[in-house]
Amino acid sequence: EAGVAQSPRYKIIEKRQSVAFWCNPISGHATLYWYQQILGQGPKLLIQFQNNGVVDDSQLPKDRFSAERLKGVDSTLKIQPAKLEDSAVYLCASSFAGRRSYGYTFGSGTRLTVV
Amino acid sequence: QQQVKQSPQSLIVQKGGISIINCAYENTAFDYFPWYQQFPGKGPALLIAIRPDVSEKKEGRFTISFNKSAKQFSLHIMDSQPGDSATYFCAASINGQNFVFGPGTRLSVLP
Repeated sequence: EAGVAQSPRYKIIEKRQSVAFWCNPISGHATLYWYQQILGQGPKLLIQFQNNGVVDDSQLPKDRFSAERLKGVDSTLKIQPAKLEDSAVYLCASSFAGRRSYGYTFGSGTRLTVV
Repeated sequence: QQQVKQSPQSLIVQKGGISIINCAYENTAFDYFPWYQQFPGKGPALLIAIRPDVSEKKEGRFTISFNKSAKQFSLHIMDSQPGDSATYFCAASINGQNFVFGPGTRLSVLP
């Protein structure tokens, strides 16, 4: 089974620029998550999709972050404009829908550095 | 209420020793408690998980102990190996949704 694919692996941008991250979940996984992991901290949920609908985006800074999941498969997360405090690893995870399949599978993440 | 506390922040153990990491939560609605292992440059990977209807779960060298009344759970790694050196995160969720992660414990197992 192929894992969760993310790209790019690394990105360095200047503050106020925009950036986009891409995620391809495991085939058949209806639920997709984006997490932000700041160095030395645990992952923090930004947004959760069920198929192509948003389930929870309560912690997404909507003035600068946006995400979409077209056709219920791939997803993109965008930051515009970026701030220094956005420097973090952005992790995508996916899982089967349903109560008895709780395991997440994470991708390797995109490490963003804002200078 | 949504916070999960984790300790210690870092842990150094000799090869063959027992590594113990502790977590505590406040929200009694949490019903699923996984532990994740993360190596540098990789995403977290599910290690072992427990539901609150059992007090202990063991998988190989890894054991979760769960104390529902104290709202605490811990990870025990028996016979710790250098390959276990990684960052460990506890987490909690309700109905498998919206996982809340602890801040992590960096484990170093000395050869």
